[in-house]
Amino acid sequence: QKEVEQNSGPLSVPEGAIASLNCTYSDRVSQSFFWYRQYSGKSPELIMSIYSNGDKEDGRFTAQLNKASQYVSLLIRDSQPSDSATYLCAATGGFKTIFGAGTRLFVKA
Amino acid sequence: GAVVSQHPSWVICKSGTSVKIECRSLDFQATTMFWYRQFPKQSLMLMATSNEGSKATYEQGVEKDKFLINHASLTLSTLTVTSAHPEDSSFYICSAYTAVVAGVTDTQYFGPGTRLTVL
Repeated sequence: QKEVEQNSGPLSVPEGAIASLNCTYSDRVSQSFFWYRQYSGKSPELIMSIYSNGDKEDGRFTAQLNKASQYVSLLIRDSQPSDSATYLCAATGGFKTIFGAGTRLFVKA
Repeated sequence: GAVVSQHPSWVICKSGTSVKIECRSLDFQATTMFWYRQFPKQSLMLMATSNEGSKATYEQGVEKDKFLINHASLTLSTLTVTSAHPEDSSFYICSAYTAVVAGVTDTQYFGPGTRLTVL
């Protein structure tokens, strides 16, 4: 059974802090990894993609991938209340995408 | 780029009626579209995978005769909920898969979702 595991949270951080979201995956075939943000009552929105080991930065977001450990993370710097949402991790391999159940993030003003 | 639309955004219907939901990729071609269902405070549940010009592949436990999927073109897939009942009330979300759009490879772009309420 291919799985993507995330801590369901909620993860609560103060405004301005760094939020760290983690994800592990079980399928070594997975080649591509994504983070989606989903606000309550809305559909998921792609915010980051990462394909190779290391860090990838985009604005306040940094995705980290370690294929040896089968681990993906998302760091959100200078967290804002508007970042409060559920963050979904996804892994794609062999034309199949597996989504994690999501981590709820709450940024306190 | 990579915009996916869904129509309608919300629908209320009586029990026993059928509802059709459209999913369109507006600025790219999608050989594959996915249909998900999401209940309140729960994660996405993949219902079926739809490939253009062929029959959809349904996930275990999803009734293919109840949830009819048609993928007639590279930009349009439809989901029809037949003889809807209150337990079918949910948030239905489609996504379109593309190999490469704007430098992002191998990913799905989601439509805004359709909220179905069956009375």
